[in-house]
Amino acid sequence: QVQLVQSGAEVKKPGASVKVSCKASGYTFTGYNMHWVRQAPGQGLEWMGRIISNSGGTNYAQKFQGRVTMTRDTSINTSYMELSSLRSDDTAVYYCARGNNYAFDYWGQGTLVTVSS
Amino acid sequence: QSALTQPPSASGSPGQSVTISCTGTSSDVGGYNYVSWYQQHPGKAPKLIIYEVSRRPSGVPDRFSGSKSGNTASLTVSGLQAEDEADYYCSSPAGSHNWVFGGGTKLTAL
Repeated sequence: QVQLVQSGAEVKKPGASVKVSCKASGYTFTGYNMHWVRQAPGQGLEWMGRIISNSGGTNYAQKFQGRVTMTRDTSINTSYMELSSLRSDDTAVYYCARGNNYAFDYWGQGTLVTVSS
Repeated sequence: QSALTQPPSASGSPGQSVTISCTGTSSDVGGYNYVSWYQQHPGKAPKLIIYEVSRRPSGVPDRFSGSKSGNTASLTVSGLQAEDEADYYCSSPAGSHNWVFGGGTKLTAL
C-alpha cells in the first residue's frame, strides 16, 4: 500500500532553515511527482511546489521562490523540502503529497514546523 | 496566484444534500478539467475524494459527486451523514506547472 512517512516536528528560530523529509513506499517512486503543501494553524491549504521525481526538476509557487528548495534521493525513495529564512508566519504543518492526474492522491501525516524565538 | 473562492461554511441536516462551490478564473478552474476536492477531518491529513472534476477514487462513497460549469466547480454531498462533517478544499492546476487551493469550507451536519 502507498505510504508517505514524514520526519518529525521541528522548532526553529527566526532566520534559520528547516529540512523536512518524506519517505515513500508501496509504489514506483520515480513514476510520480511529489508536491509540498502547508497549512498554517487554523488556516487553509497552500501549495508550495513540486519536484519531478524522475528528473529532479522543480516548480515553486512564486511566493516561495528563492526560499524553498525541493530535492529527492531516488536511492532511498525520499523527497525533501527545505525552507530558509524562516519567519514566525512560516509556522505550519507541512505535508508532502503524491501527484497523480493533476490531483494529490496520497498524503504524508504532516510535519509541524514551529518558528519561535 | 490567488486562492480559489469557497464559502467559509455550509451545513445541512442528516440525509439532506449540500453543495459547496469553488470559483476561480479561466486561468485555473475554467481552463482545466482537473479540479479535485479534499476532505480534512481535524488533526488529520487531507484525503482526496474527487479528481478530474467528477471522478471518485476507489473507496469514496458515491454520495460525493463533483461538477463544473465555466469558472465554478461544485462538490455535492448527498444523503449527508455525521461523519461527513469536515473541512473541504478544492484545487486546480493554475498554469505554468502551478496549483492553487480554495480557502476551504467547513461542513456541519446539523
